[in-house]
Amino acid sequence: DVKVTQSSRYLVKRTGEKVFLECVQDMDHENMFWYRQDPGLGLRLIYFSYDVKMKEKGDIPEGYSVSREKKERFSLILESASTNQTSMYLCASSFRRQDGNGYTFGSGTRLTVV
Amino acid sequence: DQQVKQNSPSLSVQEGRISILNCDYTNSMFDYFLWYKKYPAEGPTFLISISSIKDKNEDGRFTVFLNKSAKHLSLHIVPSQPGDSAVYFCAASLNDYKLSFGAGTTVTVRA
Repeated sequence: DVKVTQSSRYLVKRTGEKVFLECVQDMDHENMFWYRQDPGLGLRLIYFSYDVKMKEKGDIPEGYSVSREKKERFSLILESASTNQTSMYLCASSFRRQDGNGYTFGSGTRLTVV
Repeated sequence: DQQVKQNSPSLSVQEGRISILNCDYTNSMFDYFLWYKKYPAEGPTFLISISSIKDKNEDGRFTVFLNKSAKHLSLHIVPSQPGDSAVYFCAASLNDYKLSFGAGTTVTVRA
């Protein structure tokens, strides 16, 4: 069964901490994405990567950075966590071209910043 | 500027009846439209999609209708079951690999 695995289901971090969210996919997908989900706002794209070492900003990149050193792994970094980054974080992957099959999502990481 | 809009945040339907979820979009160049289903504390799962060259796609209890002139699509679930209670997201792609998502509609199926 193909999978996107996020390293943590729940995280609690303190304001100002550097936070790493890890995502691994086993489908040999070229593209990987990080979204956050907030009530009433749907899924908002933070960053995406279409190849190793490549990255592009999404709609809300401020306060975040990413790393993709290997094809199967895409990391989201919160440089200095703030309370407004409390959210559900979703990683996804896909083949390069969108052909109606969409993305495969991980189970999500519920991050709380206190 | 949100290009995909789901204007109904919630929908309540009786078990066995039809659920109709609506989605509007602004960009006439979108080439695929997708629906995702999401349970609490889980990631979204792909449900059904439709190409912009079609007006209907059916998969079991789920049917998606596309009206390009109105820039509107809908998802019909017939019959609705308790396990269908979830958040449903509409999404669209623009000839590349990025999806734009709506805000979601929470469906509650009443016994």
